[in-house]
Amino acid sequence: DAGVIQSPRHEVTEMGQEVTLRCKPISGHNSLFWYRQTMMRGLELLIYFNNNVPIDDSGMPEDRFSAKMPNASFSTLKIQPSEPRDSAVYFCASSRQGSALNTEAFFGQGTRLTVV
Amino acid sequence: GENVEQHPSTLSVQEGDSAVIKCTYSDSASNYFPWYKQELGKGPQLIIDIRSNVGEKKDQRIAVTLNKTAKHFSLHITETQPEDSAVYFCAAADSNYQLIWGAGTKLIIKP
Repeated sequence: DAGVIQSPRHEVTEMGQEVTLRCKPISGHNSLFWYRQTMMRGLELLIYFNNNVPIDDSGMPEDRFSAKMPNASFSTLKIQPSEPRDSAVYFCASSRQGSALNTEAFFGQGTRLTVV
Repeated sequence: GENVEQHPSTLSVQEGDSAVIKCTYSDSASNYFPWYKQELGKGPQLIIDIRSNVGEKKDQRIAVTLNKTAKHFSLHITETQPEDSAVYFCAAADSNYQLIWGAGTKLIIKP
């Protein structure tokens, strides 16, 4: 398997524009996570899905952020409208889990977002 | 909820020496403690984990110890090598089964 695939690797956009980040999890994994990483706040869980259903989105900063998982092989994280403070590296991770979140999470290489 | 603290934030050691990174957690119900390594430009990758029914686990040059009474766990790297230079994160799975992450430790191996 090629691992978790994220696109794009880098994104530079102007404030106010819509940004869509994409993720393809590892085949057979039933849980998917979106994280944001910054120097100030470290690694933050934004939302996670189990079997394509959003389980906990309490980490989503505000209504400008939304995430979808239309099928087991694809997820998007959208920011509309984007703001400079959204600049960060966004990671997608997937894992094979039963009822507990205590198995290995495999991370993608991340999308570095810069909002100017 | 769970809170994980990680120390130090930066650790510089001579090549060949040992490195120790420590984490404390607050939720006594946490039962799973993984360690991830993040190299520059990459996502974190699991290097070792320990569950609450075990006190120590080793994998070649790395080991993790867990003290449930004191609610702390540590990562030990022996005979450090240049490729060990990275950021290391600890995490704990809380009673809601979510991973709560430490702030990370930047490990620098000096030649």
